Amino acid sequence: KAGVTQTPRYLIKTRGQQVTLSCSPISGHRSVSWYQQTPGQGLQFLFEYFSETQRNKGNFPGRFSGRQFSNSRSEMNVSTLELGDSALYLCASSLVQTEAFFGQGTRLTVV
Amino acid sequence: ILNVEQSPQSLHVQEGDSTNFTCSFPSSNFYALHWYRWETAKSPEALFVMTLNGDEKKKGRISATLNTKEGYSYLYIKGSQPEDSATYLCAFRSGGGADGLTFGKGTHLIIQP
Repeated sequence: KAGVTQTPRYLIKTRGQQVTLSCSPISGHRSVSWYQQTPGQGLQFLFEYFSETQRNKGNFPGRFSGRQFSNSRSEMNVSTLELGDSALYLCASSLVQTEAFFGQGTRLTVV
Repeated sequence: ILNVEQSPQSLHVQEGDSTNFTCSFPSSNFYALHWYRWETAKSPEALFVMTLNGDEKKKGRISATLNTKEGYSYLYIKGSQPEDSATYLCAFRSGGGADGLTFGKGTHLIIQP
């Protein structure tokens, strides 16, 4: 059974640009969550989707958005990138509120 | 904002020794407590999901306990091996399950041969 796949693995963007990250969950998992990890910080919750609906959202500005498609694949978008958005972005999928299975992450560098 | 604290922040343990570390979380509105192991260059891997006060879970040499009334969980590793070196994360879910996971900053464990 394939794991959670995130693309791309690495990304370099310029301040002010926007970026879209993709996450393909484990087959059969309808819940997808996104997390940000920056140096010195733990994993910070961004948002969670279930059956194409955002169930909850973390404490991030509106520049961070996401969506989920009918096949449970999810994308997150960050607009007007800032240097502080440089981070590892992790996606996790799960059956409803059970253990989360994480992807390898996308390492975003904003220059 | 929910506060999930893990201690210690880092830990050096001799191979063969046993060790334990702590996760503290809000004692109100508890839904579940997760433990994950995160090895360098890999993805976080689930160890346990605990939901009931007094829960004890075990996987090989690793076990965990849960006290929801006082808001803490312990993770124990018996007979540490070099492959146990990793960051151990706990995550708290509240709100009847409707909220996202709030992670602690982790305990970075290094096993010295």
